[in-house]
Amino acid sequence: DAKTTQPTSMDCAEGRAANLPCNHSTISGNEYVYWYRQIHSQGPQYIIHGLKNNETNEMASLIITEDRKSSTLILPHATLRDTAVYYCIVRVRATDSWGKLQFGAGTQVVVTP
Amino acid sequence: NAGVTQTPKFQVLKTGQSMTLQCAQDMNHNSMYWYRQDPGMGLRLIYYSASEGTTDKGEVPNGYNVSRLNKREFSLRLESAAPSQTSVYFCASRLTTSGVETQYFGPGTRLLVL
Repeated sequence: DAKTTQPTSMDCAEGRAANLPCNHSTISGNEYVYWYRQIHSQGPQYIIHGLKNNETNEMASLIITEDRKSSTLILPHATLRDTAVYYCIVRVRATDSWGKLQFGAGTQVVVTP
Repeated sequence: NAGVTQTPKFQVLKTGQSMTLQCAQDMNHNSMYWYRQDPGMGLRLIYYSASEGTTDKGEVPNGYNVSRLNKREFSLRLESAAPSQTSVYFCASRLTTSGVETQYFGPGTRLLVL
C-alpha cells in the first residue's frame, strides 16, 4: 500500500468547514483512498473512500486531485464532536489483500467553540 | 444491529495471569481482526481471520492466541500476561463490496497488566 503524509494537527472553528489534506504521491492505479477517524478512547470509524472521482456522503466529502497524488477530506460544518484523529489510508482492492489497515500517525483535529 | 461488541471493557491483570478477550459481530462478515493500540501510537495488527476456521498472524502475534469460534465470534487469549501487553485492544470485522472494504471496529478493551 502507498505511503501517506498528513499534517500532525489542525484546529477548526465550530461551524466552519475543516479541510484535511493528505499526500499520497506513490499511489497506484488500483489503490483506493480511505479516511477513518478515531475519537478519543473509541474504536476507529470509517468515514469515506474514493478511487478517482470526488465523493460525498452524510459525514464528509472527499476531493481527489486529477493525478491522484493528493486528496482532501472536507467536514462541511465542523462540530465539537468532530474532534478526533483523522487517518488517510491508501489501499489496494480488498480482493488483493487480507485487509490489514496501515494506520499512520494521522491528523489531530481540534474543533473549538 | 449491535455491530462489533467486545467484552470486557476494562481489565486489570497481574503478571502471569491469563485471560480471554471476547469479540462478536452481527453483520455476517467473513473477516475479523485483532489490533492493539499503545498510548499515543497507531494500531498494530495482532491476528486476523479471513474466514471461519482460519487464522493468521499479524505484525505482533507473540504472547497471544486466537480462536475463530464461528462466523460471529473471534477471541483473543493471553496465556501469561506481561506488562508489555498493557494496551487497548480493538476487534474489527470487514465488509467487502466490489473491491472496496470497510472495517468496523468495536469499542475496545482496556487492559492493564501489573
